[in-house]
Amino acid sequence: QKEVEQDPGPLSVPEGAIVSLNCTYSNSAFQYFMWYRQYSRKGPELLMYTYSSGNKEDGRFTAQVDKSSKYISLFIRDSQPSDSATYLCAIGHGQNFVFGPGTRLSVLP
Amino acid sequence: DTEVTQTPKHLVMGMTNKKSLKCEQHMGHRAMYWYKQKAKKPPELMFVYSYEKLSINESVPSRFSPECPNSSLLNLHLHALQPEDSALYLCASSQGRLNEQFFGPGTRLTVL
Repeated sequence: QKEVEQDPGPLSVPEGAIVSLNCTYSNSAFQYFMWYRQYSRKGPELLMYTYSSGNKEDGRFTAQVDKSSKYISLFIRDSQPSDSATYLCAIGHGQNFVFGPGTRLSVLP
Repeated sequence: DTEVTQTPKHLVMGMTNKKSLKCEQHMGHRAMYWYKQKAKKPPELMFVYSYEKLSINESVPSRFSPECPNSSLLNLHLHALQPEDSALYLCASSQGRLNEQFFGPGTRLTVL
């Protein structure tokens, strides 16, 4: 079983839709959870960072962590064509930091 | 300043060339990283420097040689690369090893 799993997509949604992106992980020792957005041929951009179970909101983005289920989510409200990118979850503990494979999202105007 | 800069943006080199990639941050971060990213794959960790000392080397071939001259700069020296080394090379920094990482825009390397 891979340490971090993520549906690679592609995921296509209409503009204005709520997008749900998810990752599962296998190691209960993971302590911190991040979501990055990466546009084609650019470096990853940090969107959200959290240590704890529960929800964290920032503008149109909400990160949700359920440590008991080893499941994290990123919700994007009122999605825009400019949100079209690859979304990578990243999970870590101590010296170990692992990216998920990424989900390609297309928001259609 | 919340930016990580990388130069050059693009690099084309032959298999016998020697070149260097450079990374700079002025956020006072004490951990810096090199990643390699192939198309449609997530970044793969290569090296970690913590307080200017190499703390992690993920079994990277010796044709890649990292250097951290000071707390703001990170270099990656390249020598005798192979075509399969062509990729996007990303630099990142963080306050500490357990903190969120901020990435630069990357150097797109092509080895002919």
